[in-house]
Amino acid sequence: GAGVSQSPSNKVTEKGKDVELRCDPISGHTALYWYRQSLGQGLEFLIYFQGNSAPDKSGLPSDRFSAERTGGSVSTLTIQRTQQEDSAVYLCASSLQGEKLFFGSGTQLSVL
Amino acid sequence: AQSVSQHNHHVILSEAASLELGCNYSYGGTVNLFWYVQYPGQHLQLLLKYFSGDPLVKGIKGFEAEFIKSKFSFNLRKPSVQWSDTAEYFCAVVSNNNDMRFGAGTRLTVKP
Repeated sequence: GAGVSQSPSNKVTEKGKDVELRCDPISGHTALYWYRQSLGQGLEFLIYFQGNSAPDKSGLPSDRFSAERTGGSVSTLTIQRTQQEDSAVYLCASSLQGEKLFFGSGTQLSVL
Repeated sequence: AQSVSQHNHHVILSEAASLELGCNYSYGGTVNLFWYVQYPGQHLQLLLKYFSGDPLVKGIKGFEAEFIKSKFSFNLRKPSVQWSDTAEYFCAVVSNNNDMRFGAGTRLTVKP
């Protein structure tokens, strides 16, 4: 596609429910990143994919968070048993290996 | 919708030259402002941020930025660049509803 696409753009969920966030990177981009932007804070790195593998999962805040990438393209970030502190904007970015990042518009997650 | 403009796509400087990278945004409300750096092959690092107070913000590695509200600008500066400053620089704006927007990035190449 022309840019990085994220869906949904907004998600409101109840505490304890599971959510899935989707990222469609730019076609051909081998690297894919997930970040989190909490209210009033800067970006927090979550996970990095190179192709389908995730060499760096160091940023995932707990075992409730997981991510996968299939076919070297679409990635889903899953948050199980959501908590209120999970409320944030989840940003996805993609790039050619070692090249400049291109960002999606983010998914704003609100956990009630 | 808010947007962020970085006017310089690629800046090439010699070591010890002074640097100024432009960032302008369009949003009428209260914003938090950030500059991030992406070194080759790495993901983002925070250089500096402005939330409130002194509009001249000091960051890491000798970088600073000045928030000029009347100009909707947050330009990044460094008095004397080094070869190791070669990277991609992103300006980001977060509005009061936590909507985060990035500029397209400015590539800085510093020649030794």
